[in-house]
Amino acid sequence: DAKTTQPTSMDCAEGRAANLPCNHSTISGNEYVYWYRQIHSQGPQYIIHGLKNNETNEMASLIITEDRKSSTLILPHATLRDTAVYYCIVRVAGYIPTFGRGTSLIVHP
Amino acid sequence: GAVVSQHPSWVICKSGTSVKIECRSLDFQATTMFWYRQFPKQSLMLMATSNEGSKATYEQGVEKDKFLINHASLTLSTLTVTSAHPEDSSFYICSARDGQGTDTQYFGPGTRLTVL
Repeated sequence: DAKTTQPTSMDCAEGRAANLPCNHSTISGNEYVYWYRQIHSQGPQYIIHGLKNNETNEMASLIITEDRKSSTLILPHATLRDTAVYYCIVRVAGYIPTFGRGTSLIVHP
Repeated sequence: GAVVSQHPSWVICKSGTSVKIECRSLDFQATTMFWYRQFPKQSLMLMATSNEGSKATYEQGVEKDKFLINHASLTLSTLTVTSAHPEDSSFYICSARDGQGTDTQYFGPGTRLTVL
């Protein structure tokens, strides 16, 4: 699996958009970008994933650069409940994900 | 999204006893399930991969005789921590792979094990 680089921590004001970056410069053509988050003392929650195109669902948007070497997860209107550790994982479909350190996002009032 | 449940959510046991943790995929069939362990302030670490009807594959450094995994059906996998000791105290999380559609992995809520 390609290695990813994420900032250790970020903060965001409640109601504002939270933009979480991820670098994956060694990504290969058949690898997907997955995002999960883990709220304290809970199991990871699947957020979104994509291959080439930008994706949007009820939770977030995923923007993947044209060269696929980086991506951004966007939470359009962050709430206090979005405070969590966010993991960007790059993997070929069918392989298990390995978890790095992720980004600790703190949403403040 | 798909739902994965775990039972119990927390357990406290005495040193030397065995503890069984169940993982169920509630609305999809999971041919593959995974067991992770997470120590405080650390990331998840994969312990083993479990395929329905076959023996589990353990990661390096994980004792197969201590952490018994059974995946008897497409919706249930169990992890038994045998002869538990205080150093086995951790947060155990299972994951089930939805092999159809998007091939996404969904995680259970985790089980907090405390060994006294």
